[in-house]
Amino acid sequence: NAGVTQTPKFQVLKTGQSMTLQCAQDMNHNSMYWYRQDPGMGLRLIYYSASEGTTDKGEVPNGYNVSRLNKREFSLRLESAAPSQTSVYFCASTPVSTANQPQHFGDGTRLSIL
Amino acid sequence: AQKITQTQPGMFVQEKEAVTLDCTYDTSDQSYGLFWYKQPSSGEMIFLIYQGSYDEQNATEGRYSLNFQKARKSANLVISASQLGDSAMYFCAMREALLGQNFVFGPGTRLSVLP
Repeated sequence: NAGVTQTPKFQVLKTGQSMTLQCAQDMNHNSMYWYRQDPGMGLRLIYYSASEGTTDKGEVPNGYNVSRLNKREFSLRLESAAPSQTSVYFCASTPVSTANQPQHFGDGTRLSIL
Repeated sequence: AQKITQTQPGMFVQEKEAVTLDCTYDTSDQSYGLFWYKQPSSGEMIFLIYQGSYDEQNATEGRYSLNFQKARKSANLVISASQLGDSAMYFCAMREALLGQNFVFGPGTRLSVLP
């Protein structure tokens, strides 16, 4: 009963390096999200995908790209990592696009940019 | 403007007592959902309780209840009979039907339960 799986759990990068955070859900959910969590700021939406084949920007999209590879997978890419992108990244999913559906979260990826 | 406000950065409560965590929200949408999540020190986000804008009764889930005051735009979380395991960050979140894809989170309240 995996739910939402994020890989890796921890990563250290040097400034300018690139990497992709992976997210997969096995609940047949339509919508998927990427958030970053910084101290004192709650969760901020980076990108989301309402359904397979669509992606949209959230509150803080600069410096990131996403790919909704299929219904299960939604990846987040940092093309040229910056220290300001040091954060904890969460992937989440919801079944359908209605207001009463809570999000199911992965366990997070702790990313440090040196 | 902040859509979700949690004015208590930190709260302390004695074990077995009740505690209320405040949340106020801002929306012009008539249809929206309000959620509370718990984040223990291990880091995962755990869904606790949901309240819909059209729900007439306050939501309850075990020891959790949501004190929903629509006119005041507040959705406070009440935890009864606090346990040591309730020590965690608590986040209030809103999803507006017109902006259905976007959840907005508050900054959180850190609750510490004292033995």
